[in-house]
Amino acid sequence: RKEVEQDPGPFNVPEGATVAFNCTYSNSASQSFFWYRQDCRKEPKLLMSVYSSGNEDGRFTAQLNRASQYISLLIRDSKLSDSATYLCVVMYRGSTLGRLYFGRGTQLTVWP
Amino acid sequence: DAGVIQSPRHEVTEMGQEVTLRCKPISGHDYLFWYRQTMMRGLELLIYFNNNVPIDDSGMPEDRFSAKMPNASFSTLKIQPSEPRDSAVYFCASSFQSFGTGEPGELFFGEGSRLTVL
Repeated sequence: RKEVEQDPGPFNVPEGATVAFNCTYSNSASQSFFWYRQDCRKEPKLLMSVYSSGNEDGRFTAQLNRASQYISLLIRDSKLSDSATYLCVVMYRGSTLGRLYFGRGTQLTVWP
Repeated sequence: DAGVIQSPRHEVTEMGQEVTLRCKPISGHDYLFWYRQTMMRGLELLIYFNNNVPIDDSGMPEDRFSAKMPNASFSTLKIQPSEPRDSAVYFCASSFQSFGTGEPGELFFGEGSRLTVL
């Protein structure tokens, strides 16, 4: 089983829609969680960290459910510029300090 | 400020040839990562360094791959001999230690080196 699993999509939504992605992780020792965004043929960039109590950054809301071992990303009022691949990232302190695992990403296309 | 700089951006080579990818991390960052991205497998960590020392190379596919970090501002990933299945985008990323946690913080990626092995 992969460390991080994501629904690859694609998700195709109209502008203004609300869309949510989920990500599950297999290692209960996972310590830190992030969402990265990757535009087509570009490098990944940090979108936001995910905190235990949940956190919001403008139109983006991230949630963590440790009991069920999943994290989510909610995008409200989708914009055309939100079209990208969203990568779920988990980090745990196992035998190797600071190892990060990336999901394969969920592709989002926002259409006018 | 300059970000992570990788070279070459694109490389096309023939099977059996040696390939060397280069990376200059962000100044002051003490972690450096090499990732490989393919459609089939997504982003895979190959190796990472902390203060120029390799910490975890368990993701390096096989002996054909090697990585070095001779100083804090330069790292190389070498494939010798290259094979068609090595075709991928190779990303270098750097980060600094998160305050109080001893763990890497946000990863800053270079633009990647797109390798095609014919």
